[in-house]
Amino acid sequence: QQQVKQSPQSLIVQKGGISIINCAYENTAFDYFPWYQQFPGKGPALLIAIRPDVSEKKEGRFTISFNKSAKQFSLHIMDSQPGDSATYFCAASASGNQFYFGTGTSLTVIP
Amino acid sequence: ETGVTQSPTHLIKTRGQQVTLRCSSQSGHNTVSWYQQALGQGPQFIFQYYREEENGRGNFPPRFSGLQFPNYSSELNVNALELDDSALYLCASSLGSPLYNEQFFGPGTRLTVL
Repeated sequence: QQQVKQSPQSLIVQKGGISIINCAYENTAFDYFPWYQQFPGKGPALLIAIRPDVSEKKEGRFTISFNKSAKQFSLHIMDSQPGDSATYFCAASASGNQFYFGTGTSLTVIP
Repeated sequence: ETGVTQSPTHLIKTRGQQVTLRCSSQSGHNTVSWYQQALGQGPQFIFQYYREEENGRGNFPPRFSGLQFPNYSSELNVNALELDDSALYLCASSLGSPLYNEQFFGPGTRLTVL
C-alpha cells in the first residue's frame, strides 16, 4: 500500500511558469514532510521540508503548502527554469527512522 | 568535507547469488539509511542504522541485511538474489535523526540481476 500518493506523474511547464506537484497521505502520525529533487545519475537531494504546525513554507522560488485536515501537501515552483527539470519526490516520516516516498514527478521546463 | 560515496557504481549478478554494497557516510554522520529505488519509482526504505545498531526496518525480507561499522560506514547485503532485486540502491547519511538533520544521499549502486 502506497503510504504517500503523488501526482502528476509528469509535468511540462513553460519557462517562467508555475509548477505544482501534489501529495496525499493517510497516516496522521506523519509529522515531517520533505521534498526531494533528483537529477539523472544522482541521489535525491533535500529541497525543502515542512512540519504540520505550519500551513506554508517558502524558500526562494520553492513553496510547500500543507493542509493538515485534508492530509495533503504540495510543492509550488515559481518562475520555473530549465535547470529545474528533474524528478521530484515528496516524502513523509513519523519518527525519522523510516521515510515513505511518493512515486515521483518528472518535471520538464521548456525554454 | 567529503559527501556520501557508494561502491561499486554498477554491478551485475545472477539470480541466487549474494551481493554486498558499500556506503561511506559523510564525515561525522552517525546515521545511515538504505533505500531501494526501482526504475521509475520512488525510493523504498530498507533499514536504518544509528551508531552500529539497526534503528528501523522497512518491509523487506530477512535476506536483506546490513551492518554499520565503528567509523559509521555501512554495508547492505542481499542473499539469494531475485530478478526483482534489480534496482538502484541508495544510502543516505545524517547526523542523528533525519527528522531534525538533513540526510544526504549518495549517487547509488545500480544492481542488475540476470
